Amino acid sequence: EDQVTQSPEALRLQEGESSSLNCSYTVSGLRGLFWYRQDPGKGPEFLFTLYSAGEEKEKERLKATLTKKESFLHITAPKPEDSATYLCAVQAAQAGTALIFGKGTTLSVSS
Amino acid sequence: ETGVTQSPTHLIKTRGQQVTLRCSSQSGHNTVSWYQQALGQGPQFIFQYYREEENGRGNFPPRFSGLQFPNYSSELNVNALELDDSALYLCASSPQDRGGETQYFGPGTRLLVL
Repeated sequence: EDQVTQSPEALRLQEGESSSLNCSYTVSGLRGLFWYRQDPGKGPEFLFTLYSAGEEKEKERLKATLTKKESFLHITAPKPEDSATYLCAVQAAQAGTALIFGKGTTLSVSS
Repeated sequence: ETGVTQSPTHLIKTRGQQVTLRCSSQSGHNTVSWYQQALGQGPQFIFQYYREEENGRGNFPPRFSGLQFPNYSSELNVNALELDDSALYLCASSPQDRGGETQYFGPGTRLLVL
């Protein structure tokens, strides 16, 4: 069964304290791995798409990496405005074009 | 470029009623997917529409149905509402989906069933 597990469930950081969020996945043929940011009561906001192991993408303080079994979202010197829930999703060959989401990691950054 | 829009933003219904949620896809996108997100959970795939036809369905009962129109906008209909249907309903659009295409989400419709 295709599934996605994110850890930790919640993460509290001080402003400037770098850390990483983990997304482990089990899929039958990865078509793509997606990272989204979601603010409370809002729709997910697209961050990155990764397609193959070894691929990396960066945007401001965020960097996403991909291996054959997991992806990491590295946050460098976070600011309070980075506080949100970060969702990881995969698209698997046998699941068509549906996105399979993890439960997310809720990040809180305090000043 | 116009993003994905959804209406209404909030809705309150009672058990047994029917509801219709609407979505306008992002300019240039002809594929629309619907997701249900319960509180504290990740979104769950309901179904996808491409060229006005259902193109994949998740583990949701037939009382969840949908439509896509020639302008690529879409509707999600839910009949015989149950308390567990209370959730954030998300619409996402993407270009013709051959696999691996990024899906862009709208702001969602918050449905409360009493």
